[in-house]
Amino acid sequence: QKEVEQNSGPLSVPEGAIASLNCTYSDRGSQSFFWYRQYSGKSPELIMFIYSNGDKEDGRFTAQLNKASQYVSLLIRDSQPSDSATYLCAVPRNNAGNMLTFGGGTRLMVKP
Amino acid sequence: DTGVSQDPRHKITKRGQNVTFRCDPISEHNRLYWYRQTLGQGPEFLTYFQNEAQLEKSRLLSDRFSAERPKGSFSTLEIQRTEQGDSAMYLCASSFSQLSEQFFGPGTRLTVL
Repeated sequence: QKEVEQNSGPLSVPEGAIASLNCTYSDRGSQSFFWYRQYSGKSPELIMFIYSNGDKEDGRFTAQLNKASQYVSLLIRDSQPSDSATYLCAVPRNNAGNMLTFGGGTRLMVKP
Repeated sequence: DTGVSQDPRHKITKRGQNVTFRCDPISEHNRLYWYRQTLGQGPEFLTYFQNEAQLEKSRLLSDRFSAERPKGSFSTLEIQRTEQGDSAMYLCASSFSQLSEQFFGPGTRLTVL
């Protein structure tokens, strides 16, 4: 089992719809979770992080965390074509370095 | 620009040559990380520094790879005797502390012919 798993997609949604991206992780001790957006040929850009169970909202983005089930999700409301990118879930290793373990990413396509 | 910067942005080299990449982190960040990303995969951790100390290296970092951060500011990643399998995007990230988020630079795309 990979440490952080994501469906590679592509996930295709129409413009204006809600896009739902999911991530599962294996380390029950994980405390924080990050979502990065990566456009083709570019580097990852941090868009959300979450530490506590429940929902965290930031503009059109909502991160949801369920530690008991070991999954974290990202909802994008009112999806725009500019949201088309690969979304990477990242979990810090539970050590002093906190280096990130990434999932393989989910490619999102928002169609006009 | 006060973000993480990397140089060069692109490097094409022949197999067997040595290459060196540079990363300048956000100025007040004392932690610096190197990752490698191949097409269709998420970034993979290579090594990290806290100030000038290199505190952890991934098993991905063979003895052909070496990284330094001599004064706790910029860092270099050198690959000796490059192989075609080294072709990837090399990403640098920095963070203020152990618990804070990591911010990535634009990356250096290496192509080994």
